[in-house]
Amino acid sequence: KNEVEQSPQNLTAQEGEFITINCSYSVGISALHWLQQHPGGGIVSLFMLSSGKKKHGRLIATINIQEKHSSLHITASHPRDSAVYICAVRPWGTRNAGNMLTFGGGTRLMVKP
Amino acid sequence: DVKVTQSSRYLVKRTGEKVFLECVQDMDHENMFWYRQDPGLGLRLIYFSYDVKMKEKGDIPEGYSVSREKKERFSLILESASTNQTSMYLCATRNGGGGQPQHFGDGTRLSIL
Repeated sequence: KNEVEQSPQNLTAQEGEFITINCSYSVGISALHWLQQHPGGGIVSLFMLSSGKKKHGRLIATINIQEKHSSLHITASHPRDSAVYICAVRPWGTRNAGNMLTFGGGTRLMVKP
Repeated sequence: DVKVTQSSRYLVKRTGEKVFLECVQDMDHENMFWYRQDPGLGLRLIYFSYDVKMKEKGDIPEGYSVSREKKERFSLILESASTNQTSMYLCATRNGGGGQPQHFGDGTRLSIL
């Protein structure tokens, strides 16, 4: 079993819909990242969080440390949100001051106009 | 603005060739990473470097080596390319400790024939 599991693997939505992507992990962590990868490959860091909730524009990320679960929400989705969304965790006890991240397999989102 | 440049977006090489993938950053970041990304497996760390001439193995270093002679440049070397090294390769950098986000290049899609 992977240490970081994302669901769903694929998601198709209509423009304007509220979208939720989930991430569950099985290890103790010091931080969780949400990343966005557009077609073509480039990856952008969206959020890094260790507790609670963060908001940036139409994107909201939440984390529940006790339940080892995080969600990424997109409000009023738009076709330009179409991308792969990747969850990554930084486990406790990582060597070399926490360099290592463990990545989920990604959620491929397509938003149709 | 942060800039991580990978030398090629697409590369085709033959089995047995020695292949060099280059990554250059302009932010004076100490930490640099090489990942490969495969469908269903997510991103996996090959090697990382936390300073000039310093390197550590990641999760899948077999068949690869790295070089960091200057702070801004981190090279990934496939000593004798094999078809199972066909993949998307992503370089990333990070400033300071694990509490900072990683900044990714656009990726190199490498095909080994």
